Amino acid sequence: DTAVSQTPKYLVTQMGNDKSIKCEQNLGHDTMYWYKQDSKKFLKIMFSYNNKELIINETVPNRFSPKSPDKAHLNLHINSLELGDSAVYFCASSQGPQLRETQYFGPGTRLLVL
Amino acid sequence: AQSVAQPEDQVNVAEGNPLTVKCTYSVSGNPYLFWYVQYPNRGLQFLLKYITGDNLVKGSYGFEAEFNKSQTSFHLKKPSALVSDSALYFCAVRDRGSNSGYALNFGKGTSLLVTP
Repeated sequence: DTAVSQTPKYLVTQMGNDKSIKCEQNLGHDTMYWYKQDSKKFLKIMFSYNNKELIINETVPNRFSPKSPDKAHLNLHINSLELGDSAVYFCASSQGPQLRETQYFGPGTRLLVL
Repeated sequence: AQSVAQPEDQVNVAEGNPLTVKCTYSVSGNPYLFWYVQYPNRGLQFLLKYITGDNLVKGSYGFEAEFNKSQTSFHLKKPSALVSDSALYFCAVRDRGSNSGYALNFGKGTSLLVTP
């Protein structure tokens, strides 16, 4: 029944590794997002896709690469992980990209880089 | 860029008392404002939003928010707090991101503690 799901929930890895986080939504939404929540709980947009097209690409190291194989999925691949990448990554979706649309969030993926 | 500010890091209230979590906004044009709640080790849950129309917006779990244009505020309120309302509350404004999309710009969050 989960509307927006993410896997894995927890990810512990070594510096320099490459990892992926997967997100799926079953709401029939067209637009999906990745947000990063840092250790101070501050939330910041990273990427957004609408109907598999990239529409937001904020100032994020190019080690981060999103991929949307279809409207229901948005994955995040991170190369050469660094200590500073440790954070909680949230996926979200909305009906469309318009201003009035509500975004619904997944449970988050807690990434710890050692 | 559109932004919101949450002036309080923490709000403490006794169970049964009314609660207010403050949010002010800075936007050009019409604001699209949202409140979310985050319980420990959980994702963000949508509470309510203001798009246009009535200044008093009713949301989930008995919460409401009052949009005040003259004071550029969008405070979250509840008439009677529950211990289970203890969580981290985020105010957010929809803003244009890079390229052609719109994202949420969040405030820093306010931790609400309701004591029995």
